[in-house]
Amino acid sequence: AQKVTQAQTEISVVEKEDVTLDCVYETRDTTYYLFWYKQPPSGELVFLIRRNSFDEQNEISGRYSWNFQKSTSSFNFTITASQVVDSAVYFCALSEAKTSYDKVIFGPGTSLSVIP
Amino acid sequence: GAVVSQHPSWVICKSGTSVKIECRSLDFQATTMFWYRQFPKQSLMLMATSNEGSKATYEQGVEKDKFLINHASLTLSTLTVTSAHPEDSSFYICSASWGGAYNEQFFGPGTRLTVL
Repeated sequence: AQKVTQAQTEISVVEKEDVTLDCVYETRDTTYYLFWYKQPPSGELVFLIRRNSFDEQNEISGRYSWNFQKSTSSFNFTITASQVVDSAVYFCALSEAKTSYDKVIFGPGTSLSVIP
Repeated sequence: GAVVSQHPSWVICKSGTSVKIECRSLDFQATTMFWYRQFPKQSLMLMATSNEGSKATYEQGVEKDKFLINHASLTLSTLTVTSAHPEDSSFYICSASWGGAYNEQFFGPGTRLTVL
């Protein structure tokens, strides 16, 4: 069974602080993809990153970075020097090779508020 | 590239009426389209997967007679909520993929349905 857990329901930080959003996943498949999406108040999903299960390299993109650790089944997302525009709901998601990657299971989301 | 549109962006209807939501891939041919439902402060839940020219595959618990999905062309899928009731009020999001070894999904902006 697939499962994505985002234990932090809501996080508030002051602007310029760093913040890490946690994601723990569960799958029996050895081949899978992990994602992060941002959903601002407008509702439109914004794709942030896709990572396959064979690539454990951490990634940095500007103020964003991702830490993928298969040993702990985690795919955490860090925003450095947060800004008000980062305020949104962030979803971690998983898709397995068994389902031809079609079925994307979303975590419950973490609502991030960046306070000026 | 990879733009997906939805129409309408919001709709208000009376209980008992049917509402049709369109999902279009504007600059690519979508072999597969997906429909998600998102209740307030909740995650996205996959409702169904549709492949062009064939019947949609519905997730467990989703009434196929209530949520009619048609994927008549490679650029258009429609979701019709039949005999809508207040409990159907939700944010409906579609996504589209062009197939291949990895079916990356591109999400539409969503349609907010309010049933009075």
